Amino acid sequence: AQTVTQSQPEMSVQEAETVTLSCTYDTSESDYYLFWYKQPPSRQMILVIRQEAYKQQNATENRFSVNFQKAAKSFSLKISDSQLGDAAMYFCAYIRNTGTASKLTFGTGTRLQVTL
Amino acid sequence: AAGVIQSPRHLIKEKRETATLKCYPIPRHDTVYWYQQGPGQDPQFLISFYEKMQSDKGSIPDRFSAQQFSDYHSELNMSSLELGDSALYFCASSLGLGLGKTQYFGPGTRLLVL
Repeated sequence: AQTVTQSQPEMSVQEAETVTLSCTYDTSESDYYLFWYKQPPSRQMILVIRQEAYKQQNATENRFSVNFQKAAKSFSLKISDSQLGDAAMYFCAYIRNTGTASKLTFGTGTRLQVTL
Repeated sequence: AAGVIQSPRHLIKEKRETATLKCYPIPRHDTVYWYQQGPGQDPQFLISFYEKMQSDKGSIPDRFSAQQFSDYHSELNMSSLELGDSALYFCASSLGLGLGKTQYFGPGTRLLVL
């Protein structure tokens, strides 16, 4: 079974600074996808970024980028120029790359606090 | 852009009652997923449908059932409700199934069982 581990229950960053959230996963599959979702106080789950395991290039979306280390099974999220609106719970998620895979496996989340 | 719609947004039920949660996927999306998020927990996959057929099943209790209709909306039926069913229930949708299709989540239905 696949597992996703987020070892930082809480993180804090000052506005305009950079923060990195950690995620490791365990799988015997060689092809899969990884995601970061953001859950603000509204509890809505919002997609932040997506990475395909067979792509060596790290995904980026504006201020958000990932450091994907496939051999180490590590998938960290870097938030640059942090803003107050970035304060949220961040979940790392994994899904197998098959024609029928439906289940996203989530980590336990990292709560990010952004301070002035 | 249109998003996933869930109704109701909040629901309060008594133990042993029945609840029905509805999900309207993003237009043209043909795949629907249901997740349950307990207090302070990560979302847990319940069940998914592709083209009105069940495509995968997770940790869904036998007291729960779901289906996807011809217009692709989905309903999650929960019977004999227990206190432990109190949670946030998310529906997500995607265009197509598998191959890492991005799942777009709705705002969730908050269910409280008293």
